[in-house]
Amino acid sequence: EIVLTQSPATLSLSPGERATLSCRASQSVSSYLAWYQQKPGQAPRLLIYDASNRATGIPARFSGSGSGTDFTLTISSLEPEDFAVYYCQQRSNWQRTFGQGTKVEIK
Amino acid sequence: EVQLVESGGGLVKPGGSLRLSCAASGFTFSSYSMNWVRQAPGKGLEWVSSISSSSSYIYYADSVKGRFTISRDNAKNSLYLQMNSLRAEDTAVYYCARVGRVDIWGQGTMVTVSS
Repeated sequence: EIVLTQSPATLSLSPGERATLSCRASQSVSSYLAWYQQKPGQAPRLLIYDASNRATGIPARFSGSGSGTDFTLTISSLEPEDFAVYYCQQRSNWQRTFGQGTKVEIK
Repeated sequence: EVQLVESGGGLVKPGGSLRLSCAASGFTFSSYSMNWVRQAPGKGLEWVSSISSSSSYIYYADSVKGRFTISRDNAKNSLYLQMNSLRAEDTAVYYCARVGRVDIWGQGTMVTVSS
């Protein structure tokens, strides 16, 4: 089973600041990595698929990069609605494991 | 409208069984692989199981292997999760999800395993 490790666990930032979230895989997942945003009481929302492609309707301030084992989600300038928990998910095989999440909180 | 609607959650005693259902509408259900994902209270997302479009390929997380069974009925546009030998650690919101370039997630159904 591929293990995804996200860092940091918590990111304390102010609106307007840049957020950089990391996801590291225990083995190569090529570019088959997705990023999700989840707010309390809601289902996850797909932000990025195939490492760097924004899903439909996702603002341009969200960007993804990386391949192989190291991936990054960047939010260029945090909006108030961006404070949430973010998860990465690998889709390189059928066992579509998730990382443990990074909480982006208001500083 | 494209949507997934889960049902079947509830309170069950340890060792008991429960069957979750997920009704799909608004897309060609039979063309897509489907997944169950769960989230324990206050915890992260955990992938549980996946099934291919024709049921030829089925996979489970180690934590549920041998206890849970995923299935689908393409004629009824429905996905199922039969959960047996339930444990307290299976307590979670269970989501069905179509995962891809365009994701579709249900609203989730709560399963509580407690005596």
